[in-house]
Amino acid sequence: GNSVTQMEGPVTLSEEAFLTINCTYTATGYPSLFWYVQYPGEGLQLLLKATKADDKGSNKGFEATYRKETTSFHLEKGSVQVSDSAVYFCALILMNRDDKIIFGKGTRLHILP
Amino acid sequence: GAVVSQHPSWVICKSGTSVKIECRSLDFQATTMFWYRQFPKQSLMLMATSNEGSKATYEQGVEKDKFLINHASLTLSTLTVTSAHPEDSSFYICSAREGRGTQYFGPGTRLTVL
Repeated sequence: GNSVTQMEGPVTLSEEAFLTINCTYTATGYPSLFWYVQYPGEGLQLLLKATKADDKGSNKGFEATYRKETTSFHLEKGSVQVSDSAVYFCALILMNRDDKIIFGKGTRLHILP
Repeated sequence: GAVVSQHPSWVICKSGTSVKIECRSLDFQATTMFWYRQFPKQSLMLMATSNEGSKATYEQGVEKDKFLINHASLTLSTLTVTSAHPEDSSFYICSAREGRGTQYFGPGTRLTVL
């Protein structure tokens, strides 16, 4: 079946540290890949996306590259800030199916000042 | 970017009462809206998908008589939790999209049933 697996949290880093949150997927088709962020008490915000292999999504200093060969879409940021503390969800959509989003379980990120 | 709002942002109700949550797309026509439920520290669980003017499609295990969804216009969908009980307490999030476009999420509604 189709699924998304992301590293379990919580992840705790100091401010200005380098961040990687791993995400791998399994899909029977050719998915579009997404990272969503959820700040405390809020809904989800689209952080970045990539729709085909080798595409790099980027936003607010975060980046993720669609790697078809490794079925991965790891989220990275070179220097995190306290304000990046949130829960990050990796997700996929198979556009040739019913367009349902399949979410990973989420990774909670704590950034210490 | 596209904005989706939800109202109320939080609600507390007594067991046995019904609660209605609204989801609105503010600057685009939402041909499809989705309702999710999120338990603490867990991922989102899709409850149902609704297309404007037609009945909602519920995911397996979601009681359609318990969670009534109406999508009467291109900018509004409502979720009514009927005869709410404490186990219905959760964070409910809607999302909306125009055509096959990106889904945009609302800020969520926290429901607490006493």
